[in-house]
Amino acid sequence: GQNIDQPTEMTATEGAIVQINCTYQTSGFNGLFWYQQHAGEAPTFLSYNVLDGLEEKGRFSSFLSRSKGYSYLLLKELQMKDSASYLCAVLDSNYQLIWGAGTKLIIKP
Amino acid sequence: GAVVSQHPSWVICKSGTSVKIECRSLDFQATTMFWYRQFPKQSLMLMATSNEGSKATYEQGVEKDKFLINHASLTLSTLTVTSAHPEDSSFYICSARVGDREQYFGPGTRLTVT
Repeated sequence: GQNIDQPTEMTATEGAIVQINCTYQTSGFNGLFWYQQHAGEAPTFLSYNVLDGLEEKGRFSSFLSRSKGYSYLLLKELQMKDSASYLCAVLDSNYQLIWGAGTKLIIKP
Repeated sequence: GAVVSQHPSWVICKSGTSVKIECRSLDFQATTMFWYRQFPKQSLMLMATSNEGSKATYEQGVEKDKFLINHASLTLSTLTVTSAHPEDSSFYICSARVGDREQYFGPGTRLTVT
């Protein structure tokens, strides 16, 4: 079956750095997405990786290793507004998005 | 660009009535739209994939007669929850796909059935 694993919850301090990991086993691979979702709101796009390596976008970076079925989202200089759920999703061979359960990130002052 | 809207943003209805939710791609044409449901503290659950001009493809366990999906044009898809019950109360989110890749999400519709 298809499976995406990410930690349920993480806590970090304002101004610090946090890394949210995601491992996946899917039928085919056409890219991996990270989305941010604040409580009561729809997800918003953060990043897309289809090749191995690190993609940097401001305070957020996303890394992919296809051979290991592994990705992480790195958030730097954490701000209180970064408190949200972070969803990892993989586009499988049918171009269907397979979703992880999300990681709830709690930022403490 | 790539803005998706949903209407209404929240709705309260009585048990047994039907509710229609609209999803529009405002500045692009979407051949494929998706409907998701999300219960509190859970991840998104795909309900159906909607292609313009053809019947929607429903995920296993989703009743097609209860959740009617119509994708009448390249910019509009509708989800009708028929004979709603309290257990249908949820956050319904649509998304539209651009090409084969990225999905853009609407803001969601919170449905409460009393």
